[in-house]
Amino acid sequence: ILNVEQSPQSLHVQEGDSTNFTCSFPSSNFYALHWYRWETAKSPEALFVMTLNGDEKKKGRISATLNTKEGYSYLYIKGSQPEDSATYLCALPGGGTASKLTFGTGTRLQVTL
Amino acid sequence: DTAVSQTPKYLVTQMGNDKSIKCEQNLGHDTMYWYKQDSKKFLKIMFSYNNKELIINETVPNRFSPKSPDKAHLNLHINSLELGDSAVYFCASTANGLGEETQYFGPGTRLLVL
Repeated sequence: ILNVEQSPQSLHVQEGDSTNFTCSFPSSNFYALHWYRWETAKSPEALFVMTLNGDEKKKGRISATLNTKEGYSYLYIKGSQPEDSATYLCALPGGGTASKLTFGTGTRLQVTL
Repeated sequence: DTAVSQTPKYLVTQMGNDKSIKCEQNLGHDTMYWYKQDSKKFLKIMFSYNNKELIINETVPNRFSPKSPDKAHLNLHINSLELGDSAVYFCASTANGLGEETQYFGPGTRLLVL
């Protein structure tokens, strides 16, 4: 069983604040890491797929880093806006087959005015 | 055009009934998935098909039976529905089922069993 942990479980920030959260995973047999953004009552939407140690990806105000040796990835949001409010999921393939994604429990972000 | 579509969007039914949820993707992908969002809001894989062949079958009651008539469709049939089956079911697809490929999710089907 692949153990994917995310912290914090929830986060409440004010508009304009920058924030970050963590995804932790076993460093052995790393293959890839996915970040998804999941708004309430919608479907998960892919943000990034990261495969290499030291990878940094950016999409607008959102960026992510990856450290496969120590088994963590950070997701950063710069200048949070109310529309950033969502649950951010990380997921890794493995747990028996590369095709199967194991999702973390998510970090629920709420951005208020 | 919606990349991954599911029908119905909402399904309310009585305990003991049999129901189906349909999923279609127009991305030309080979691999499709069914996930269940459980009561704690976690996403758990149920099944995966690659080009109509079952490749992942998690510990799911055998009342749940996936069917893939072609690689663009993966339907989920549920027999003898139970209260605990109430959940949101998401379909997803990916090009070849490789771990570094993005999975594209459908809008979800909200099932309520009364």
